[in-house]
This record gives sequence, C-alpha cells and structure tokens, in this order.
Amino acid sequence: QSVLTQPPSASGTPGQRVTISCSGSSSNIGRNYVYWYRQLPGTAPKLLIYRNNLRPSEVPDRFSGSKSGTSASLAISGLRSEDEAEYYCASWDDSLIGPYVFGSGTKVTVL
Amino acid sequence: ERQLVESGGGLVQPGRSLRLSCVVSGFSFDDLAMHWVRQVPGKGLEWVSGITWNSGTIGYAESVQGRFSISRDNAKRSVYLQMNSLRTEDTAFYYCAIDRSGRFDWLDSWGQGTLVTVSS
Repeated sequence: QSVLTQPPSASGTPGQRVTISCSGSSSNIGRNYVYWYRQLPGTAPKLLIYRNNLRPSEVPDRFSGSKSGTSASLAISGLRSEDEAEYYCASWDDSLIGPYVFGSGTKVTVL
Repeated sequence: ERQLVESGGGLVQPGRSLRLSCVVSGFSFDDLAMHWVRQVPGKGLEWVSGITWNSGTIGYAESVQGRFSISRDNAKRSVYLQMNSLRTEDTAFYYCAIDRSGRFDWLDSWGQGTLVTVSS
C-alpha cells in the first residue's frame, strides 16, 4: 500500500469546491514539501502544485494546496467537467535523495 | 517544442535486462535533474529513480535498489534506466520526468511513457 493516504474518491457538481486530503508521517510530509499531480485517463501525470502551495504558471488559480503537520490538502474551486481525473499527492520520504512517495490517488468525479 | 520521449520498452523474460532511454528537447538539459516513475496499468504511481543535474546524487526506490541503474549523457540530452534481473512485478509504464530544480524537488514535465512487460 501507499505511504501517503488519500481518499479513493471525491465528487462535486460543476462550480462546487472539492477538497482532497493526503495524510503522511513525520518522515515525509512532516519534514518535506508536498506536491500534487493530476492524471487524465490514458495520459501522463501533470504537476499541479509544488512546494506545498505553489502553482506552475499554466495551472489556474482554481487549484490550491496547503499543508499542516503531517497532512496536506488540495482544493479545487469552481469545479469543471475537465477536472474529472485522478489526483496524486507526493512527498520526499526520510531524505531528499528518496524515495519520492506518492499517495494512493483520488478519483474526482464531476456529477 | 518542449518534450520528453521515452523508448526501449517491450516484452522481456524474467531475469533478463532492458535499457530505457529518454531524450529531452526544449529544456536546458544540463540544469535538470531527471527521474523515472512507473505505473502498473490501472494502478498508482511509483517513483523508481532520480539523478541530479551533475550526476552527483542518485537515488533509487527500495524495490529496484541493486537491480536498476540510472545514468545520463548531457551531450545527448538523455537519461537512461538500465534494468537488470527483471521481475514480473516490474511490468509497468515507465515515465521519465524533469526536475527543474536540478536537485530532487518537483517533477515538472513528464514524457508519455514506455511500456515494459516482464513475462515468460
């Protein structure tokens, strides 16, 4: 099983706000940054959030990340149909040379 | 155009070897750290290995430690993953990804992946 724990699924209607949690430990999230990735079916993952709450320039500000202690969360506001995808959190574990651990993934469904 | 293109995947028998390659274009390759991440079809992501911009730091997942080896050739803008003693559980899509920090930080852009199937 994954080192980081995410809920298997989340859902919302268009325009709603959805939050995904990611729980880790003192050896990963507790001491290192958290990252978030989105994966559409049949495609490669894409970076959404890095260093806890920073967004690459091409990622809309509807996506935001936060971290507290050994947990983190991703919020998607103004949910859109194209947000339906698998979302993964990640963090470096124990040391900064690895391993890089991923969460189990959360499937977001837009109702 | 910015892209990462993996190659070298295919069908291989257990115990055999395979070498994956990833060619990077549109980025300043010398400044990048590079990573390999794999994904069993329909399952989650697993980081396999990473190498910093100058090959000064290399890391491996415990599941591949001692069997896989990562390397890079900055002149060819390429990163490689030598996979030895392959096991059926190594079957997965293998993605290469860039890390613009040059060290081990975030996986910025990813290739489309190459499928490795280990089966007799």
